[in-house]
Amino acid sequence: DGGITQSPKYLFRKEGQNVTLSCEQNLNHDAMYWYRQDPGQGLRLIYYSQIVNDFQKGDIAEGYSVSREKKESFPLTVTSAQKNPTAFYLCASSIAGQGTEAFFGQGTRLTVV
Amino acid sequence: SQQGEEDPQALSIQEGENATMNCSYKTSINNLQWYRQNSGRGLVHLILIRSNEREKHSGRLRVTLDTSKKSSSLLITASRAADTASYFCATVGNTPLVFGKGTRLSVIA
Repeated sequence: DGGITQSPKYLFRKEGQNVTLSCEQNLNHDAMYWYRQDPGQGLRLIYYSQIVNDFQKGDIAEGYSVSREKKESFPLTVTSAQKNPTAFYLCASSIAGQGTEAFFGQGTRLTVV
Repeated sequence: SQQGEEDPQALSIQEGENATMNCSYKTSINNLQWYRQNSGRGLVHLILIRSNEREKHSGRLRVTLDTSKKSSSLLITASRAADTASYFCATVGNTPLVFGKGTRLSVIA
């Protein structure tokens, strides 16, 4: 059953800690994306990758880091440098870099406690 | 930066009525897409319209695109309670999908 999986669904982090959100897809998609969603703000692009071992910053990359060592995986690390990390994080993938529909995971809700 | 701006921000209608949502954007695009999000879930792709298309249909969905006005509309006909969700437009140009803030649709049974 093909799809895109994010884990965990809920994540709690203490201030000053780094956390890593997982995103895995078995759709054989080249492109993967990370978005952040805050209430009333819509989705904002954090990072995207169009091919293995390459990625680009989006609009709000500060305080985040990513890696793309495998086609199937695009983990996002929220570092302690991110001032306001509490948000809903969405991972997506698509066949090509641009212009095709994106498939989304079910999201990870991160809360800083 | 968020390219698309949906209007209205919130819409409440009775079951069976039609729902119309609008999206305006700022720069040239390759295509425009509409997505749906149920509360607390991921987004689901609904329909894609290319810059050289003016209208597209999919089931109860009708999308129009006016590139001269940089605007698009999504019409959901004969709405159902299950259509209650947030709807987002997303544009594709020189950058990956850029989303608007969405329209929250409530369909009352």
